[in-house]
Amino acid sequence: QVQLVESGGGVVQPGRSLRLSCAASGFTFNNHGIHWVRQAPGKGLEWVAVIWYDGSKKSYADSVKGRFTISRDNSKNTLYLQMNSLRAEDTAVYYCAREGIYGGNSGGLDYWGQGILVTVSS
Amino acid sequence: SYELTQPPSVSVSPGQTARITCSGDALPKKYAYWYQQKSGQAPVLVIYEDSKRPSGIPERFSGSSSGTMATLTINGAQMEDEVDYYCYSTDSSGKGVFGGGTKLTVL
Repeated sequence: QVQLVESGGGVVQPGRSLRLSCAASGFTFNNHGIHWVRQAPGKGLEWVAVIWYDGSKKSYADSVKGRFTISRDNSKNTLYLQMNSLRAEDTAVYYCAREGIYGGNSGGLDYWGQGILVTVSS
Repeated sequence: SYELTQPPSVSVSPGQTARITCSGDALPKKYAYWYQQKSGQAPVLVIYEDSKRPSGIPERFSGSSSGTMATLTINGAQMEDEVDYYCYSTDSSGKGVFGGGTKLTVL
């Protein structure tokens, strides 16, 4: 079965860095784009970033552009999110999510990890 | 930046039909996706490509889209449907965007 497992979260001071990982299994990883989505405590979902199936294209939300970097290692079936210059407003549960493929077209997020909490606080 | 607009809350009586709307200027050209999120859990896809239902999702969930509005419909709402719902789509550059979320109350 499809599984996505995030790791690397925790408490970090403002201005510092953190790297999240997302280990994938149960599907052909290099066939799918993968996204990061976050949810601040008590708030709604916020799309963060996407990386294409082959890593050739990446896109970011304006709120993290220039500070966060999404990457993937298809040989390890793993997605990463390097988060630099962290701010208090980056505090959230971070989810990795697989982009679905429907009849040859891709779109939407069909499977999600359980999420990992990142707390930015001094 | 592109936005999707949902009502913060919708109320429905048990067994009745609930409709949750999502409006966005790009929806005539972009698919809408709908997610159900229970407290403390990851979101679950309930509708993809405007109106298709993934396997395992009850038939009472359906979706439609017309012009700049997509709609999630729950026929015969049950107490277990009383959770949060989010629409999702993409903008013209391919960036993802979520609606603000709708809390469904079944009472």
